[in-house]
Amino acid sequence: EAAVTQSPRNKVAVTGGKVTLSCNQTNNHNNMYWYRQDTGHGLRLIHYSYGAGSTEKGDIPDGYKASRPSQENFSLILELATPSQTSVYFCASGERSNQDTQYFGPGTRLLVL
Amino acid sequence: QQQVRQSSQSLTVWEGETAILNCSYENSAFDYFPWYQQFPGEGPALLIAIRSVSDKKEDGRFTIFFNKREKNLSLHIKDSQPGDSATYFCAANYGSSGNKLIFGIGTLLSVKP
Repeated sequence: EAAVTQSPRNKVAVTGGKVTLSCNQTNNHNNMYWYRQDTGHGLRLIHYSYGAGSTEKGDIPDGYKASRPSQENFSLILELATPSQTSVYFCASGERSNQDTQYFGPGTRLLVL
Repeated sequence: QQQVRQSSQSLTVWEGETAILNCSYENSAFDYFPWYQQFPGEGPALLIAIRSVSDKKEDGRFTIFFNKREKNLSLHIKDSQPGDSATYFCAANYGSSGNKLIFGIGTLLSVKP
């Protein structure tokens, strides 16, 4: 079965600090995605990747960077965290086709004080 | 700008009733419409999906009705159970998007016993 894991599951950060959220998938999927989920906004795409070494901007990339060092791992980096980045972050993986399922991780709850 | 709209943020039905969750979209290039189900504390998971060449897709108690001309679709949950209580996201993508999904804001369904 598809498996996407995220770490940490919960994180408290200070404004201006650096935060790294990690995602690992064992599905051997080419595509990986980072979303944030906020009440009233649903899931919004931050960054995505088509494979190791590639990252692409999603719909709301400002304030975030991404890194895809390998097929299995995809990180989301907040260089200077702000309170507006308090949210729940989900990683997902999927095949390249536009009609393939995306498999989501359990989420990381981030609070920026 | 919300390209995928879910008309209700919450819906309550009684056990045994049919729950109807509505969704509409703006971009006529969208050709694939998955519905994702999310339980509290978990990531979303694919529930059922339809392609724009079809007007109906059924999977057990779950049915999608799709109206391409009106650019809307609905998810019907027949014989609703308390275990169906969750948030349901309507999503859409199109062929050249590389499996990028655009999500609605979600509908929180509560099924009362």
